Amino acid sequence: KNQVEQSPQSLIILEGKNCTLQCNYTVSPFSNLRWYKQDTGRGPVSLTIMTFSENTKSNRRYTATLDADTKQSSLHITASQLSDSASYICVVSANSNSGYALNFGKGTSLLVTP
Amino acid sequence: KAGVTQTPRYLIKTRGQQVTLSCSPISGHRSVSWYQQTPGQGLQFLFEYFSETQRNKGNFPGRFSGRQFSNSRSEMNVSTLELGDSALYLCASSWVRDRNNEQFFGPGTRLTVL
Repeated sequence: KNQVEQSPQSLIILEGKNCTLQCNYTVSPFSNLRWYKQDTGRGPVSLTIMTFSENTKSNRRYTATLDADTKQSSLHITASQLSDSASYICVVSANSNSGYALNFGKGTSLLVTP
Repeated sequence: KAGVTQTPRYLIKTRGQQVTLSCSPISGHRSVSWYQQTPGQGLQFLFEYFSETQRNKGNFPGRFSGRQFSNSRSEMNVSTLELGDSALYLCASSWVRDRNNEQFFGPGTRLTVL
């Protein structure tokens, strides 16, 4: 069964600190992995997307890594800001007979405090 | 370019009633997907439409249905509402049905069933 597990479930950090969010998956056949940021009361917004051959991708202060062998991904946030407070969702796409299927993690809730 | 819009933003219904939610995708986008988001389950895929045809369907009961119009606008209907249907319903659009194509999410419709 295709699954996406994220950890931790929630995280509180001080403004300016770094943090790393984890995503482990058992999705097959793997197509791509995407990290989304969802602010409270809004829809998710894509941060990065990685295919099988990519093992790191950056978007401003967000750096995502992918280890396709161990089926693990991480999202590293550098010099956190209050606006980083949000839910971060890992989504793994798998090839399927109907094209592709998206498998969602339950998200990590991040709170950045002053 | 305007983003994905969803109406209404908030809705309160009672058990047994039915509800219709609307989604207008980004201009030019032909693929529209619907998701249910609850605190305990995270994002769960409902169905996807492309060129007025349902291409993918999640594991939801038949009370959940949808359709897409020729202008790519989509509606989702839930009949015989249950308390457990209370959730944030998100619509996402993308240009084509490509696994690497980014999905752009709307702000969601918050449905409360009393």
